[in-house]
Amino acid sequence: TQLLEQSPQFLSIQEGENLTVYCNSSSVFSSLQWYRQEPGEGPVLLVTVVTGGEVKKLKRLTFQFGDARKDSSLHITAAQPGDTGLYLCAELFFGNEKLTFGTGTRLTIIP
Amino acid sequence: DARVTQTPRHKVTEMGQEVTMRCQPILGHNTVFWYRQTMMQGLELLAYFRNRAPLDDSGMPKDRFSAEMPDATLATLKIQPSEPRDSAVYFCASGLARLNEQFFGPGTRLTVL
Repeated sequence: TQLLEQSPQFLSIQEGENLTVYCNSSSVFSSLQWYRQEPGEGPVLLVTVVTGGEVKKLKRLTFQFGDARKDSSLHITAAQPGDTGLYLCAELFFGNEKLTFGTGTRLTIIP
Repeated sequence: DARVTQTPRHKVTEMGQEVTMRCQPILGHNTVFWYRQTMMQGLELLAYFRNRAPLDDSGMPKDRFSAEMPDATLATLKIQPSEPRDSAVYFCASGLARLNEQFFGPGTRLTVL
């Protein structure tokens, strides 16, 4: 079973700062999704990356897929309190729709 | 506003009792997933259905858990008998096959005493 490790496990920073969180695998990803989960809610899909080296941007969020497709990063510029939440990466296996989630990074942005 | 709904949102029960959690997927979605989230194990897939037929329930303890889709608008997850180690948040998600996006409900927080 593929193990998806996310780091750091917890991150607390001041509003306006930049941050990067990581998702690493023991083997090559089929494709990777990033989700954000707010307290009391289910995860919400942010992005899907498929191709090695791919970079996608969503407003202040930048997602990068490693060239070898064994790692991914999420960079947030000028963090805001609304970015607070649990960030989860998940491997998507094309063809059977199953998701395997990472361990998560719990992010807190201090106003 | 299409959303996945789950009931109840919170459930507290005693060990040995039966627990039934319900999910209404987004209208038109043909794939339904059940997940369990705990601090120790994170978010784990328990089972999933396509067009109401179970495709994979390998993540589910077979002796006490059962999942069904009586019709296209209702999915159920039942635990009988419940145990304290079943305490977790249970999420239902729905999607359309091959579109590779799952929409999660708000979850049912289960506490077994």
